[in-house]
Amino acid sequence: QQPVQSPQAVILREGEDAVINCSSSKALYSVHWYRQKHGEAPVFLMILLKGGEQKGHEKISASFNEKKQQSSLYLTASQLSYSGTYFCGTLTDSWGKLQFGAGTQVVVTP
Amino acid sequence: NAGVTQTPKFQVLKTGQSMTLQCAQDMNHEYMSWYRQDPGMGLRLIHYSVGAGITDQGEVPNGYNVSRSTTEDFPLRLLSAAPSQTSVYFCASSSPNRARANYGYTFGSGTRLTVV
Repeated sequence: QQPVQSPQAVILREGEDAVINCSSSKALYSVHWYRQKHGEAPVFLMILLKGGEQKGHEKISASFNEKKQQSSLYLTASQLSYSGTYFCGTLTDSWGKLQFGAGTQVVVTP
Repeated sequence: NAGVTQTPKFQVLKTGQSMTLQCAQDMNHEYMSWYRQDPGMGLRLIHYSVGAGITDQGEVPNGYNVSRSTTEDFPLRLLSAAPSQTSVYFCASSSPNRARANYGYTFGSGTRLTVV
């Protein structure tokens, strides 16, 4: 079952903050976050594992509440380059079956 | 190091035709997946594989077949194309090896398929 993301879209000015939420009805093994620019492939941002391990290579942070099966992505001091559609992906059992939410469109304006 | 390579980039099919979308990765990743992306629907998992010879169905497998005879290749076959299969198709790969610095999924550039 696909995870549920909110909000569907957000418009920010440069420097503002935003939070994107992702929730699942099933117990989660891990949560992934990806960003997709228009006409391009999704790009990996971060992974959060059960037990607290996190790995990412962008200046974007995230949290994972294992008990509530929820994750949040924090866009802090947003930059123009943060514009795009953000997807959360969830793994409920094996690593192979990564399922994505419908996405959150983020527009950062000057 | 090419990453994940998908061919073709664009394809137009007539209803009822069959074709194979190719996907190859050179990162020695165990896991490979196929997704389709439609407006407002996000990325939906079609089929996935956790290693050579092992495949399983995702959320929307009907009308598609896969096989994984090597670690590198994971082709997606459309048996009898239908207009409902018009979409952008992405192949992705990953490794479960936690020793690697980045073990998220790497996506190919996509195949834009139109069925008329």
